[in-house]
Amino acid sequence: DAKTTQPPSMDCAEGRAANLPCNHSTISGNEYVYWYRQIHSQGPQYIIHGLKNNETNEMASLIITEDRKSSTLILPHATLRDTAVYYCIVDTNAGKSTFGDGTTLTVKP
Amino acid sequence: NAGVTQTPKFRILKIGQSMTLQCAQDMNHNYMYWYRQDPGMGLKLIYYSVGAGITDKGEVPNGYNVSRSTTEDFPLRLELAAPSQTSVYFCASTLPPGTTFSFGSGTRLTVV
Repeated sequence: DAKTTQPPSMDCAEGRAANLPCNHSTISGNEYVYWYRQIHSQGPQYIIHGLKNNETNEMASLIITEDRKSSTLILPHATLRDTAVYYCIVDTNAGKSTFGDGTTLTVKP
Repeated sequence: NAGVTQTPKFRILKIGQSMTLQCAQDMNHNYMYWYRQDPGMGLKLIYYSVGAGITDKGEVPNGYNVSRSTTEDFPLRLELAAPSQTSVYFCASTLPPGTTFSFGSGTRLTVV
């Protein structure tokens, strides 16, 4: 299974862009990169996913490097409500999806 | 659609007791998962299932059992509860890869 590596914590000023990195150097060609976030003790919430191309939706943008070994989640204008734990996972196609410890993003006023 | 429903939301068990955490989904998802989350930590995969009648171990299966007799239900059984099983348990479901997880709201279990 492809593993991901994320920094344990990051800070961001309110209104600025938050850029959260993820390394997935062992990713296979047919595996997607997914991002989720977890606020307080709620169940994780889907943010965005991609295979090769950069993706954007109403919540965030996902930038995947050309070699697909890393990606960056971008929250363009972070708010205090974006303070959460962000998880980057790689879908294994075999059903066994592991989450890891994620990055705790703290948005500060 | 109710999505993924977990019951109970809270439970206190005594050491050695047993219980079943219930998980049901109404989205006709093939894949279902059980994760546990200890305080301040990430999610650890306990068991997963890719369809009715098929289950497999995740990262931390010891002390747990699962069954998948229907597409909708994926109960998690704790036998002989131990304090180390104090955690928040999340159930999730998805269609085959390429689609996104839907999570339940969690079951907070304390073993004393």
